[in-house]
Amino acid sequence: AQSVTQLGSHVSVSEGALVLLRCNYSSSVPPYLFWYVQYPNQGLQLLLKYTSAATLVKGINGFEAEFKKSETSFHLTKPSAHMSDAAEYFCAVSLSGGSNYKLTFGKGTLLTVNP
Amino acid sequence: DADVTQTPRNRITKTGKRIMLECSQTKGHDRMYWYRQDPGLGLRLIYYSFDVKDINKGEISDGYSVSRQAQAKFSLSLESAIPNQTALYFCATSDFGAGGLNTQYFGPGTRLTVL
Repeated sequence: AQSVTQLGSHVSVSEGALVLLRCNYSSSVPPYLFWYVQYPNQGLQLLLKYTSAATLVKGINGFEAEFKKSETSFHLTKPSAHMSDAAEYFCAVSLSGGSNYKLTFGKGTLLTVNP
Repeated sequence: DADVTQTPRNRITKTGKRIMLECSQTKGHDRMYWYRQDPGLGLRLIYYSFDVKDINKGEISDGYSVSRQAQAKFSLSLESAIPNQTALYFCATSDFGAGGLNTQYFGPGTRLTVL
């Protein structure tokens, strides 16, 4: 079984400030972890994914996430927020191995960037 | 051109009407999925298909049916639409990677309103 919890349904930051979006997962086997971004009126775009190759994963648009097994976390960060980062962000988990298909999503975190 | 396309992008219909949402992909992936997104609930899986002859129910399949017409096409039908099926619907595709990695790629979504 697998699940994802995103802490904070809404995060607001100032332009230029650090962005930190929190994601904790639960998984019975080593997981694959993903962050997706949804801009207004658009579909979901893959930001980055953890596949066990490296615990620090770099994605598009300056985002990165660190896999911490001891904390069962995969938080998304960006050193300096830009107005164009305003969107909804989804963390998702799937299980490694076997004929896996299921991608379980968190409920999303809406990021607002203030000028 | 987009890799995953959905038609229509917006649809307003009345209770009891039959509705079909269509999805096409040019990524060459075998696996296709239908999700619905509701505010505050994230994405929930309706149906998924591993190939043309393999179709499976997801977590919320009641009231929906699907058809996999070809590797590249996967349609979602609402046989008799009801207001609580008002939502944003996404199609996604994936291939089957090493170790069960299942990176999904999403279409732009169809916003369905049932009056």
